[in-house]
Amino acid sequence: GENVEQHPSTLSVQEGDSAVIKCTYSDSASNYFPWYKQELGKRPQLIIDIRSNVGEKKDQRIAVTLNKTAKHFSLHITETQPEDSAVYFCAANINQAGTALIFGKGTTLSVSS
Amino acid sequence: DAGVIQSPRHEVTEMGQEVTLRCKPISGHDYLFWYRQTMMRGLELLIYFNNNVPIDDSGMPEDRFSAKMPNASFSTLKIQPSEPRDSAVYFCASSLARFQETQYFGPGTRLLVL
Repeated sequence: GENVEQHPSTLSVQEGDSAVIKCTYSDSASNYFPWYKQELGKRPQLIIDIRSNVGEKKDQRIAVTLNKTAKHFSLHITETQPEDSAVYFCAANINQAGTALIFGKGTTLSVSS
Repeated sequence: DAGVIQSPRHEVTEMGQEVTLRCKPISGHDYLFWYRQTMMRGLELLIYFNNNVPIDDSGMPEDRFSAKMPNASFSTLKIQPSEPRDSAVYFCASSLARFQETQYFGPGTRLLVL
């Protein structure tokens, strides 16, 4: 079945720096890769997603890149701010037609001012 | 729309007791997912439904866990009997049946089994 590995598990940056979180997946049939942000004590919320027919997607300060050949995808946050501090999860769909997701173990991002 | 609704938000119970968690998905959503979140194991998919029918329950850890969806607006996750290792945050999420749509999570139920 699908397996998603996420690195690093923790990441500390200074305000204004960039942050990069990387994920790899095992099932070449996966074709949907969302990223969720979870603030302390809150629910996970979608921040950006990418489908396998594109290699990169941007939304203001966040971007996601996908390398289907290598089966890895990454989240890039530029000009980090303290409010970006949270746990970030990557995920991949279990099968090509489905919406069920397998999540990575999460990355705790700390942005210090 | 109020979003995905879960109840109770917090549950403290003693080992051996039955626990029932409830979820109301977003109106019109055809998929409903139950997740368990712990520090050790992260966010695990337990079971999901499509149009009220269970599709994949391979993530349900043991026979002590069961889930039902009697109609499009209500689902339950039951643990009987509960054990301390079941302590976790349980999330319900829903999405539209269209191709690869966003999953919207509920606020979660924080369960503590003593």
